Amino acid sequence: AQSVTQLDSQVPVFEEAPVELRCNYSSSVSVYLFWYVQYPNQGLQLLLKYLSGSTLVKGINGFEAEFNKSQTSFHLRKPSVHISDTAEYFCAVTPVQGGSEKLVFGKGTKLTVNP
Amino acid sequence: GAVVSQHPSRVICKSGTSVKIECRSLDFQATTMFWYRQFPKQSLMLMATSNEGSKATYEQGVEKDKFLINHASLTLSTLTVTSAHPEDSSFYICSARIFSGRGRRDTQYFGPGTRLTVL
Repeated sequence: AQSVTQLDSQVPVFEEAPVELRCNYSSSVSVYLFWYVQYPNQGLQLLLKYLSGSTLVKGINGFEAEFNKSQTSFHLRKPSVHISDTAEYFCAVTPVQGGSEKLVFGKGTKLTVNP
Repeated sequence: GAVVSQHPSRVICKSGTSVKIECRSLDFQATTMFWYRQFPKQSLMLMATSNEGSKATYEQGVEKDKFLINHASLTLSTLTVTSAHPEDSSFYICSARIFSGRGRRDTQYFGPGTRLTVL
């Protein structure tokens, strides 16, 4: 089974400041990793994903994440945030093969960007 | 590309009635769709996995007779909440996975969600 831990439930930052949203996972098998963003009263939008290859993944809206296998982490970063980045962010994993094919989500991190 | 729609976006119904929610993949074929439920300020809870042409697989604790899922085609899955009660009020989100052709578990794309309120 897999589990995902998002260490911060809420992250307040000022506009144009850098931000890092932390995600750690636990799995006995290899996994694919994803970050999704959810704006109020909307579904989830894919920010970026790691399937294989380079461990530094670039996504939409200026976000990037780095897969660190030894630390079982997949932290999300943005060098300069905007007010419009205020949203809930979810980290998720799914096993590459075998077992359940479902996405396992973390509990989410609410990012609030203040002027 | 990879757009998933849901209809309706919002529904209010009386207790005891049934409500059908549609999930469509607009520009790709989805052999597998997923249905989630999200409570306020919480993460998504997977309810069931829907495979085209076969019965849905429900997660533990989800009543299959209450939440009927039909995946009739490669672009449409429906969730019917039967005999809805106020405790069924929630945000329901579907997702669809692109068929990679290699059995690879690739990305899930999510619909915009349906807000169900049962009075």
